[in-house]
Amino acid sequence: GEDVEQSLFLSVREGDSSVINCTYTDSSSTYLYWYKQEPGAGLQLLTYIFSNMDMKQDQRLTVLLNKKDKHLSLRIADTQTGDSAIYFCAERWGVPGGYNKLIFGAGTRLAVHP
Amino acid sequence: GAVVSQHPSRVICKSGTSVKIECRSLDFQATTMFWYRQFPKQSLMLMATSNEGSKATYEQGVEKDKFLINHASLTLSTLTVTSAHPEDSSFYICSAREPRGVDEQYFGPGTRLTVT
Repeated sequence: GEDVEQSLFLSVREGDSSVINCTYTDSSSTYLYWYKQEPGAGLQLLTYIFSNMDMKQDQRLTVLLNKKDKHLSLRIADTQTGDSAIYFCAERWGVPGGYNKLIFGAGTRLAVHP
Repeated sequence: GAVVSQHPSRVICKSGTSVKIECRSLDFQATTMFWYRQFPKQSLMLMATSNEGSKATYEQGVEKDKFLINHASLTLSTLTVTSAHPEDSSFYICSAREPRGVDEQYFGPGTRLTVT
């Protein structure tokens, strides 16, 4: 069935790296996404990775994908207080009829402290 | 980048009344829009998929008569919560599908509904 799992909470010191992990279920997922949600706001797409990639780096963000284990991670280098938010992993599911829907994990709350 | 707006951002209504939430894609045409519900400290739950000019597709367990969705144009979808009850209080988020590129969804800022 559809299930994306994440650890719920992560606390890091400012300046350190943060690593948020996610496992997903559909080995045929073509795209996997990381979204950021700040309090009371909608979701902001941070980055995505295509399933034929192992790694993608975008400034302070590095996404690693292990297709064999269906494991996705997001590393934030030099974590800042402004990075404090909830981070959602999502996989794209194809639906009969031609469109795709996103299945979200429960979200990891990242707290950055001085 | 693509921008999606929602209106209102926050609404308080009495039990038994109906509330309409609008979702607009501001700078692109969205043939498909999605409506999600988010409970406090929980993930987003997809409620329904809205296709322009056709009936919405509801996820299992979502009452279509209670959550009416209309996607009348390529830039506007509405969600109407009918006969609202306190348990309908939640954060409702819409997204619009931009089919080019990676076929990603752009999310609105959300609407906080409180039913008293």
